[in-house]
Amino acid sequence: AQSVTQLDSQVPVFEEAPVELRCNYSSSVSVYLFWYVQYPNQGLQLLLKYLSGSTLVESINGFEAEFNKSQTSFHLRKPSVHISDTAEYFCAVSNQGGKLIFGQGTELSVKP
Amino acid sequence: NAGVTQTPKFRVLKTGQSMTLLCAQDMNHEYMYWYRQDPGMGLRLIHYSVGEGTTAKGEVPDGYNVSRLKKQNFLLGLESAAPSQTSVYFCASSFLARSTGELFFGEGSRLTVL
Repeated sequence: AQSVTQLDSQVPVFEEAPVELRCNYSSSVSVYLFWYVQYPNQGLQLLLKYLSGSTLVESINGFEAEFNKSQTSFHLRKPSVHISDTAEYFCAVSNQGGKLIFGQGTELSVKP
Repeated sequence: NAGVTQTPKFRVLKTGQSMTLLCAQDMNHEYMYWYRQDPGMGLRLIHYSVGEGTTAKGEVPDGYNVSRLKKQNFLLGLESAAPSQTSVYFCASSFLARSTGELFFGEGSRLTVL
């Protein structure tokens, strides 16, 4: 069975510091991987996704994630965060069978 | 540019009452979903639909019913609300199957059952 584990429930950082939000998954088959972001009082929005090809994927606002098959990880990184990045981030995994499983979420809190 | 719209946004119910949450999308998406979000548990799929007139159970369907009479609408019903159904409910839609496509979410409906 598939599962997703986000290793940190809360990550506090100072503005302009780098950040890494960790995500590990378990699956016996090929997977697709996603990061969604939820800003306060809003629904989730797709941040980036890996379906195939290059293992490094980027978002338009400076986040990137790398698919590491050997470590079954899809960590999200940003070299310098802004106050506006404060949100909850969800990692999600699916296989070609159609099930999409969300992790528990990581609250990123960026402080001035 | 509405996207996915959920009504109502807030509701307080007493145990045993019934209610319906409405989700409407204007993107002509085939697939629609209802999730619930609870602290520390991420999002869990309640029911979903792969097209007009079809519905299917997700991970946590008990206590809920759904209908998709029109392509653009997906209704979630609670026949007899219980305190365990206190949650934030999100509707989502997608053009492709959720395994490969991007899901578009509504802003959520916060339900409290007393």
